[in-house]
Amino acid sequence: GAVVSQHPSRVICKSGTSVKIECRSLDFQATTMFWYRQFPKKSLMLMATSNEGSKATYEQGVEKDKFLINHASLTLSTLTVTSAHPEDSSFYICSARAWRGGETQYFGPGTRLLVL
Amino acid sequence: LAKTTQPISMDSYEGQEVNITCSHNNIATNDYITWYQQFPSQGPRFIIQGYKTKVKNEVASLFIPADRKSSTLSLPRVSLSDTAVYYCLVGGDTGRRALTFGSGTRLQVQP
Repeated sequence: GAVVSQHPSRVICKSGTSVKIECRSLDFQATTMFWYRQFPKKSLMLMATSNEGSKATYEQGVEKDKFLINHASLTLSTLTVTSAHPEDSSFYICSARAWRGGETQYFGPGTRLLVL
Repeated sequence: LAKTTQPISMDSYEGQEVNITCSHNNIATNDYITWYQQFPSQGPRFIIQGYKTKVKNEVASLFIPADRKSSTLSLPRVSLSDTAVYYCLVGGDTGRRALTFGSGTRLQVQP
C-alpha cells in the first residue's frame, strides 16, 4: 500500500516553455503532499508543501510564480515549471503523507526534467 | 526540526551485516524516526520507522536507545543491490511539517 506515482518520468523541453508534473497517491488520500528537488549526488531539498484545497506553502528562496503548485483533489498535486530555463533542469520528486502506524511520507519515483 | 547526523559513506561486502547510526540530539517528543533508501534517479523508498526500542521488518531492524538521541539501522546480510544512499529522518508528527533530508549515508557493497 501507499503507492505514489509521478508523470511524466522524464521530460525534455525547450527554454521558455512550461512543464507540468503530476503526483498521484494511488491507494490512499493525501491532504498534504510535498515537492522536492534533487541535484546530482545531492540530498533532496524541500521546495513546497501542497495542501488540498488551499495555497501551497513555499520554502524560502523558491519562486512561487515560477513553480506553480495545485492540489485540487485528495489524490493529485501538480507542479508546473513556468518559463523553464536550463538551470531548472533537475530531478523533481513528490511525496504524500500517509498514516501507517506512524505518520510517514511515501515518495513518487521522480521526474527528470531537462531544459535545453 | 530535528537535525540528523550520519556518516557520509560506508563500505561493506556481500553477506555482512551493516549498521548505520544516526544522531538526532534534538528529537522532539512527538517525532518518529524514519529511514529511507534511495537508488540513483529514483524516489526514496521507505525502509522502516520507529519511535522507541526496537523495530523489525522483513528488510531491516531499527534500534533506538531510551534517550532517543540516536538510532541504528541494521541491514542483515547485505547484497550488491543494497548499494544505495540511506537517509535517516526525524519528524512527521500529526502536524504538517515536512521531513528535512540530511546528506544521507552512501553505502557501497562490494562482492
